[in-house]
Amino acid sequence: EVQLLESGGDLVQPGGSLRLSCVASGVTFSTSVMTWVRQAPGKGLDWVSSISSGGTTHYADSVKGRFTVSRDNSRNTLFLQLSAVRVEDTALYYCAKGRGSLFFLFDLWGQGTLVTVSS
Amino acid sequence: DIQMTQSPSSLSASVGDRVTFTCRASQGISNSLAWYQLKPGTAPKLLLYGASRLESGVPSRFSGSGSGTDFTLTISSLQPEDFATYYCQQYFVSLSFGPGTKVDLK
Repeated sequence: EVQLLESGGDLVQPGGSLRLSCVASGVTFSTSVMTWVRQAPGKGLDWVSSISSGGTTHYADSVKGRFTVSRDNSRNTLFLQLSAVRVEDTALYYCAKGRGSLFFLFDLWGQGTLVTVSS
Repeated sequence: DIQMTQSPSSLSASVGDRVTFTCRASQGISNSLAWYQLKPGTAPKLLLYGASRLESGVPSRFSGSGSGTDFTLTISSLQPEDFATYYCQQYFVSLSFGPGTKVDLK
C-alpha cells in the first residue's frame, strides 16, 4: 500500500524535546524530497522543513535552530527532531512527499501526528 | 515571499450545488498552483496541480483554472464526501499555502 505513516507525537512541556518519524511504503522514498508541514489547532497549513534526497535541509524561520530534519533512506524513514519546543509549536505534524523535480508539489501525505506543548 | 489568499473563508452549500472558490497570489506564479482537500482525521489529498491538471483518481467534478495571480477551483456537483477544507498552494518559488476555504452543509 502506498502510504506515509507518522508517529511520535505526544504531550511535551515547554523547552522539552520530541522526535517525530514518518515511514514511507510503496513509494520511491530515497529519491524524493520530503517535507514536514504542520497545522496548529484551528489554523491553516504551515511549512516546517524539507530535506532533499541527498540530505540538504531547509527550515522555516520559526523553527530554525530548534528543529532538525533527517532521513534514513535504508529504512524509508523521515525524522523531525523538535527541541526547545514552545507552546506555539502545538500542531498536527504531517509529512509529505514531493513529486519528482517538483519538490514542493506534495502528491502523498500522511495522516499526521499530534504534538501538544503545554505545562 | 509569495503570499496566498483565498476567498471565501467558508461557504455553506447543499449536495448537488456547483461551488467555486478563488485563490490569489501576491505575485505571478505562472501555473504552479496546487489544490488540496483536508478532512479531519485523514491524510490531505492532492486534487489538482499545474492549476488545472486533475490528479489521478480525483473525480472529474473537480476542475481548476487560472494563471499568473488568480485561480479558481470548481466542484460541479457537490457530493457528501466533498464537505472539507480546501487549500491552495504555490510551488513557483519555494512554497506557501493559502488560509483555506471550508465547505460545510447548508
